Amino acid sequence: GIQVEQSPPDLILQEGANSTLRCNFSDSVNNLQWFHQNPWGQLINLFYIPSGTKQNGRLSATTVATERYSLLYISSSQTTDSGVYFCAVERGDSWGKLQFGAGTQVVVTP
Amino acid sequence: NAGVTQTPKFQVLKTGQSMTLQCAQDMNHEYMSWYRQDPGMGLRLIHYSVGAGITDQGEVPNGYNVSRSTTEDFPLRLLSAAPSQTSVYFCASSADGHNSPLHFGNGTRLTVT
Repeated sequence: GIQVEQSPPDLILQEGANSTLRCNFSDSVNNLQWFHQNPWGQLINLFYIPSGTKQNGRLSATTVATERYSLLYISSSQTTDSGVYFCAVERGDSWGKLQFGAGTQVVVTP
Repeated sequence: NAGVTQTPKFQVLKTGQSMTLQCAQDMNHEYMSWYRQDPGMGLRLIHYSVGAGITDQGEVPNGYNVSRSTTEDFPLRLLSAAPSQTSVYFCASSADGHNSPLHFGNGTRLTVT
């Protein structure tokens, strides 16, 4: 199957700091999504972004499909940004099979 | 809209017992799927469905059955629970499973003793 690697595995931020999370994948994909799992375990879809750049408030994401990576930017972090951020990808010949990376654990301290 | 609703939230089973995890969505989504989440293993796909009457296996299907008789419902059945099936189970749906965002339910925490 496709390999999905997220970095860094852990990140500690002070409130107000900016950060970049990275997702590398080993094959061409036609579906890439970012999710946030909050400390209560809820999984929230942040972006559907197979290519290009999108922004939603303090979060933005960029996917460079030809170079097989995606970046998630968190600006002016808040304590509510704490949790685990997952990248998930789907290969072109694996329709319906979204495969998740191991996640980046983010802790934002006041 | 309630989105994706999973029941129950928590369940404890003894080895060998059977049960069904329920999942319903009210967004008229064609695609539905089940994942399990284990510490250090991330989320792994169990089964998925691209429409009523159509199901297929994911990465870890053994020990689980699914069916999709309606667009709204996608139950996950454990026929004979094993301790290895202790996990948090998430149901998810999207409009088409391919070109649209995936939305998750709040999960079911299952313990098999």
